[in-house]
Amino acid sequence: EAQVTQNPRYLITVTGKKLTVTCSQNMNHEYMSWYRQDPGLGLRQIYYSMNVEVTDKGDVPEGYKVSRKEKRNFPLILESPSPNQTSLYFCASRFEGTGVGSSYNEQFFGPGTRLTVL
Amino acid sequence: DAKTTQPNSMESNEEEPVHLPCNHSTISGTDYIHWYRQLPSQGPEYVIHGLTSNVNNRMASLAIAEDRKSSTLILHRATLRDAAVYYCILTGGDIIQGAQKLVFGQGTRLTINP
Repeated sequence: EAQVTQNPRYLITVTGKKLTVTCSQNMNHEYMSWYRQDPGLGLRQIYYSMNVEVTDKGDVPEGYKVSRKEKRNFPLILESPSPNQTSLYFCASRFEGTGVGSSYNEQFFGPGTRLTVL
Repeated sequence: DAKTTQPNSMESNEEEPVHLPCNHSTISGTDYIHWYRQLPSQGPEYVIHGLTSNVNNRMASLAIAEDRKSSTLILHRATLRDAAVYYCILTGGDIIQGAQKLVFGQGTRLTINP
């Protein structure tokens, strides 16, 4: 089954304790992305990756790191979590069409990771 | 990014058609219109997309106005499982793919009554 998986699904941690949220997709997609969802603010993009070893900042990258060493995995790293990073996080992937006009590519989202930083 | 406007909420009855409107008066000629939905406690899922012509798939239909300044997502026969937040999103078709992203607004919260 084609899917995007995230782990853990729920996490409660304390300020300053480094954590990693994993994301994996089995569709051989080039493009992967992380979003956070907060009440009243909707979903906002944190980082994205066009392919292995190619990453770039989204709209709200502060306090986050990512890496893309393998095509299927795109972990989100919080080096020193703070309470304002308490949120619902979604990983997504899509096929990266070549050239212009391929923005129709369907984006697949993971089930979400609910993070609470105390 | 071109902006979309959707009603905050809508309500319908099970087994009836639902028409979800979206206004995008500043849409450019190369912008695609996408619809995603987010069911409770789940990640967003793709529903349908289009550029100029009306589109149909197994989930829904997308009706695009001739001037492209508005569109309507049509659920032909709503079920309880269709209760979700529906997002209308534009992406620029003239932007190199890597810069493409989905910009989610507040969407329309659809309630389906049994």
